[in-house]
Amino acid sequence: EVQLLESGGGLVQPGGSLRLSCAASGFTFSNNAMSWVRQTPGKGLEWVSSISGGGGTTFYADSVKGRFTISRDNSKNTLYLQMNSLRAEDTAVYYCAKSPSFTPLDAFDIWGQGTMVTVSS
Amino acid sequence: QSVLTQPPSASGTPGQRVTISCSGSSSNIGSNYVYWYQQLPGTAPKLLIYRNNQRPSGVPDRFSGSKSGTSASLAISGLRSEDEADYYCAVWDDSLKVFGPGTKVTVL
Repeated sequence: EVQLLESGGGLVQPGGSLRLSCAASGFTFSNNAMSWVRQTPGKGLEWVSSISGGGGTTFYADSVKGRFTISRDNSKNTLYLQMNSLRAEDTAVYYCAKSPSFTPLDAFDIWGQGTMVTVSS
Repeated sequence: QSVLTQPPSASGTPGQRVTISCSGSSSNIGSNYVYWYQQLPGTAPKLLIYRNNQRPSGVPDRFSGSKSGTSASLAISGLRSEDEADYYCAVWDDSLKVFGPGTKVTVL
């Protein structure tokens, strides 16, 4: 069974840093692009970042460019999101999502359950 | 403020057909595939339609997608109580994935 399990969320002060992880299982991780999508409670979905299966191609939303870094360790079947210079508006549930292909420019066919990030003093 | 436009809500009685629209532009919907995601209350989103009108395995054929020009639509036929959820259209626009604001479907 294909599964994605996020971790690393929590409470952080404005200006602080946090690293999210997404452990993947049930598929050949390196064959598939991965992404992060966030959702402020009660609001809509916002795409954050995507990375190709090999890790060589990355894309970022303008709202996080220069502050967040997406990466992956295919030997550990794990996706990461390093979040720096966090702001109150980054408060959200962060989902990791798998694409059916190597390229990120595709559907998100499997989603994790999400991890909550709260940025507050 | 999304570059995609969806009605905030839609409703119908069991068995009815409900249609949700998603309007964009030539740079997004007009030149790329449209995806639809369903989010049931308190759960993670789920892929409902990919590449404009394709259903992943396990998605009932009551759900159908279409695209014409710079607009797309999701139709739910034979509406059921378990279809009560938020529905989001999405598209890639110049290597940025954009989600619509979502449509809340209520089964009356």
